[in-house]
Amino acid sequence: EPEVTQTPSHQVTQMGQEVILRCVPISNHLYFYWYRQILGQKVEFLVSFYNNEISEKSEIFDDQFSVERPDGSNFTLKIRSTKLEDSAMYFCATGDRSNQPQHFGDGTRLSIL
Amino acid sequence: ILNVEQSPQSLHVQEGDSTNFTCSFPSSNFYALHWYRWETAKSPEALFVMTLNGDEKKKGRISATLNTKEGYSYLYIKGSQPEDSATYLCAFYGGSNYKLTFGKGTLLTVNP
Repeated sequence: EPEVTQTPSHQVTQMGQEVILRCVPISNHLYFYWYRQILGQKVEFLVSFYNNEISEKSEIFDDQFSVERPDGSNFTLKIRSTKLEDSAMYFCATGDRSNQPQHFGDGTRLSIL
Repeated sequence: ILNVEQSPQSLHVQEGDSTNFTCSFPSSNFYALHWYRWETAKSPEALFVMTLNGDEKKKGRISATLNTKEGYSYLYIKGSQPEDSATYLCAFYGGSNYKLTFGKGTLLTVNP
């Protein structure tokens, strides 16, 4: 069965540095999402992306964050000038329609020191 | 702010027991309700997407019902097995925006 793959599985970064989290979606999927889960808390929506643009973003997704599909396959989340509170598990999810089940990657654990 | 609540927060049952848990969500602007199963060290896996009031879906020993008028969904597991141990997440999809709002999940532990 096709899978969503995320790299790296674990990223350790110094506060203030930039990180790029990568996701390879299922090939015929058109809707892309990023979520995060801070330890012990809910899975939180960050952003959705469709037709090469952001379709929805949460209040968490401020100017520090950006997303793009640089080569038409990878879907990336960039966090500029990371803060301690950015430490979390980041999940990419993709779907073939907006109201269909989303397929999640295994996540990237981001640790900010 | 959309409120999606799940109860109980955690549940311990014995192998063979049947169990159920609840997801409550806004009854207005409803579009779909998703259920996911999330095993430790794996990614969330879609169980059901429910859209119609009165919907009932089944996948093996797991089934779910939906009441959109009162804003709740039940997930049932018949004859729980240790491999059913996971966190079960529900997520509300309000069609006016492209996002899922998740509950905190119910952590199910099935003891052999």
